[in-house]
Amino acid sequence: EAGVVQSPRYKIIEKKQPVAFWCNPISGHNTLYWYLQNLGQGPELLIRYENEEAVDDSQLPKDRFSAERLKGVDSTLKIQPAELGDSAVYLCASSLDGVAGVGNEQFFGPGTRLTVL
Amino acid sequence: AQKVTQAQTEISVVEKEDVTLDCVYETRDTTYYLFWYKQPPSGELVFLIRRNSFDEQNEISGRYSWNFQKSTSSFNFTITASQVVDSAVYFCALSEDGDNFNKFYFGSGTKLNVKP
Repeated sequence: EAGVVQSPRYKIIEKKQPVAFWCNPISGHNTLYWYLQNLGQGPELLIRYENEEAVDDSQLPKDRFSAERLKGVDSTLKIQPAELGDSAVYLCASSLDGVAGVGNEQFFGPGTRLTVL
Repeated sequence: AQKVTQAQTEISVVEKEDVTLDCVYETRDTTYYLFWYKQPPSGELVFLIRRNSFDEQNEISGRYSWNFQKSTSSFNFTITASQVVDSAVYFCALSEDGDNFNKFYFGSGTKLNVKP
């Protein structure tokens, strides 16, 4: 079974440029997450989707970040314009339906390492 | 306040030594879930284990074992006879019940260096 797919793996851009990351979750996983991971730290949630609906975007900097999950499968995370401080690894994860008592373990993709110059 | 604390930033051991990674969590929920993930140098977080708050039995999987103690709010991870391939950053995580079931709180990670 294929895991979570992310692209690109690496991206280098100049500040003020736009950038987009793509994620394809594990087939059948209705919940999708975007995380930001800074060096030496744990992942921090940016946004969580249940199917097409963004159910938790409280940590997403909405002035420059946006995300979408059309049709409840693939998702795109965009930054416009990028700032120097956005340099980090952006992780996508997915899990089965969030039914309490059933496995909610998240499965992660390889991440996109963003460098903003 | 941090919901998950991994006080050990970095640990170095020599191959074949046993090593324990500490995880302390904080929650007011009676139902919650604890996880461990491994992040090797390649960068992808790999799921290792999930435990719910009602199951305090210790678990062993090969060289890996987990000690869950509600009395001390700890969920420690022990690697027996460590190997170089165990070198990675290990993250402990917590999710709570209800609306926060799918919201993970990650610790800051413990970097394990296993030297030959």
